[in-house]
Amino acid sequence: GNSVTQMEGPVTLSEEAFLTINCTYTATGYPSLFWYVQYPGEGLQLLLKATKADDKGSNKGFEATYRKETTSFHLEKGSVQVSDSAVYFCALTDSGGYQKVTFGTGTKLQVIP
Amino acid sequence: EAGVTQFPSHSVIEKGQTVTLRCDPISGHDNLYWYRRVMGKEIKFLLHFVKESKQDESGMPNNRFLAERTGGTYSTLKVQPAELEDSGVYFCASSSLFTPGQQETQYFGPGTRLLVL
Repeated sequence: GNSVTQMEGPVTLSEEAFLTINCTYTATGYPSLFWYVQYPGEGLQLLLKATKADDKGSNKGFEATYRKETTSFHLEKGSVQVSDSAVYFCALTDSGGYQKVTFGTGTKLQVIP
Repeated sequence: EAGVTQFPSHSVIEKGQTVTLRCDPISGHDNLYWYRRVMGKEIKFLLHFVKESKQDESGMPNNRFLAERTGGTYSTLKVQPAELEDSGVYFCASSSLFTPGQQETQYFGPGTRLLVL
């Protein structure tokens, strides 16, 4: 079956530091890949997505590139802010048909001033 | 436009009691999903409704869990009787009707935190 593996947290960074959260996946076919974010006290929000190999998803300064050869979808941001503190979930859905989401365990990011 | 809402936001119950969680999807969304995150682990799929019909309930852990979606609008998830291992955060998500060849985007609610003592 499908699975998503992401780096364990928590990750603590100083403001303006570079962020990488690693994510690899196992899936049949050609899944779509996502990063969701959960800010404190809020629900899950879609941060970015990529639907085919070599696509780059981007939003709010975050980026992730769909790498089929390495089955990876690492999340990066060049300069984090305190407001980026949240839990980040890597996820995928199967191609075609109804698309239940398979999530990773989540990585908590804390950015300190 | 209102997002996905869930009620209650928190629930603390004793083992053996019954709890009912409610999800109101975005208006017009035919797809409704339930997910659960237990003890900081990954968020896992529970089941999927298309309108009032159960499309996929392969993730339901056991028969103590009962989900309904009367009239294809809001949904309830009942746990009866609750056990300690049912503690976690229950998320609901909705999306518009699936169209072949198009990527579906699921919109999630804030979740219900359930603690079974």
